[in-house]
This record gives sequence, structure tokens and C-alpha cells, in this order.
Amino acid sequence: GQNIDQPTEMTATEGAIVQINCTYQTSGFNGLFWYQQHAGEAPTFLSYNVLDGLEEKGRFSSFLSRSKGYSYLLLKELQMKDSASYLCAVTNAGNMLTFGGGTRLMVKP
Amino acid sequence: DADVTQTPRNRITKTGKRIMLECSQTKGHDRMYWYRQDPGLGLQLIYYSFDVKDINKGEISDGYSVSRQAQAKFSLSLESAIPNQTALYFCATSDPQGSDTQYFGPGTRLTVL
Repeated sequence: GQNIDQPTEMTATEGAIVQINCTYQTSGFNGLFWYQQHAGEAPTFLSYNVLDGLEEKGRFSSFLSRSKGYSYLLLKELQMKDSASYLCAVTNAGNMLTFGGGTRLMVKP
Repeated sequence: DADVTQTPRNRITKTGKRIMLECSQTKGHDRMYWYRQDPGLGLQLIYYSFDVKDINKGEISDGYSVSRQAQAKFSLSLESAIPNQTALYFCATSDPQGSDTQYFGPGTRLTVL
């Protein structure tokens, strides 16, 4: 089976940096995804990590440590529009996605 | 135009009714999925299909059925709706080439009274 943990809620200030952590336990790990989901809308793809290390994409970066079963999503220069839920999801050997419960990020002025 | 579309976007129905949710995609992806999302919770996989002749149960398939009418179309049916099936339903597609990233439709908000 798979178990994915991430904080339920976080609050940060506009212009700041926030790190959202995700830990996982899985059999047959194949890769890790981060999605952004605004309330009532579809999840949208942010990043994919399969190898250890940091992947940077504009203001968003994602890090993976396979040996520790750990990932984080780093958001820089926070904007009000970054207020959303951030979903960590892990794929197994069959390429099936298992989602964590999501972290609701609130950005305050 | 959106790559993955879902109809209807909102539906209110009564207990015991049969409901069909439809998903269409223009991405040319072979793989399609149906998820449900309950308030404050993550996405749970209901059914998935890796091609037109392939249908597989996900983690919460009881009370649901699916039909893959074509590569571009994947429908989800609730044979006899019950109130605890009230949720947001998402269809997704993916291409097994590369990372197999899943792309989601806009969702259907279903309320069962």
C-alpha cells in the first residue's frame, strides 16, 4: 500500500517563501508529482520528480529524496493567487497515482 | 478549447436515480481515469482505462461503473445514486510516453439528495 503525509494547512505572507513538505511510504516508487488546485477547480500539474534533487521551474521548485521518502515544494515570491491547495501524489510501478490529502495554503497581504 | 471536458458541470439528483457523467478529450491520450474528491480530502481513484478494451477498478469502485466508448470518451455511471456519493468528480487523461503526467478535466459537482 501507499501512505502519503502532508500538512493540512499553511499560512504565509505575500512576497515570502514557503516550503510544503510531503513524506511517503510506498511499494514500487516510480515518481512524485505536485499539483495545484484552486477551490472547486481542476488540479493542474506543477512538477514531476523521479531522481533525487531539485527541479526548478520559475517561482516553483520541487525537491525529492528517494532514500528518505521525502519531497518538498518551494514557492518563492508568493502572490495572492498562490492561495490554493497543493497536492502531493506518488506513482507506483504500475504508474498509478496515489494522492495525499493536500495542503491548503493561504497567502496573506 | 479545453483538452479535457466533462458534462454536466453540475448535477443535483435524488437517491436511487441512475446518473451518467461524461468525459471527452482531444489530447489523443490512451489512458483515462475517474476520481472523486470529497471536501478537504485528496483524490480517490474510481476506475481507469489504459486503452479502449481495458477497464480496471480503482480503490473505490463499488456503486460505480464505466464505459470506454472510444479513445476520446470515458463515461462514469452511478447505477443507483446514494447521498454519500455527493462529491466532486474529475476525469483525467495521460500519455504513457515520458512521465505519464495526468491532466484533469474541470470536474462535475454531483449532489445526491
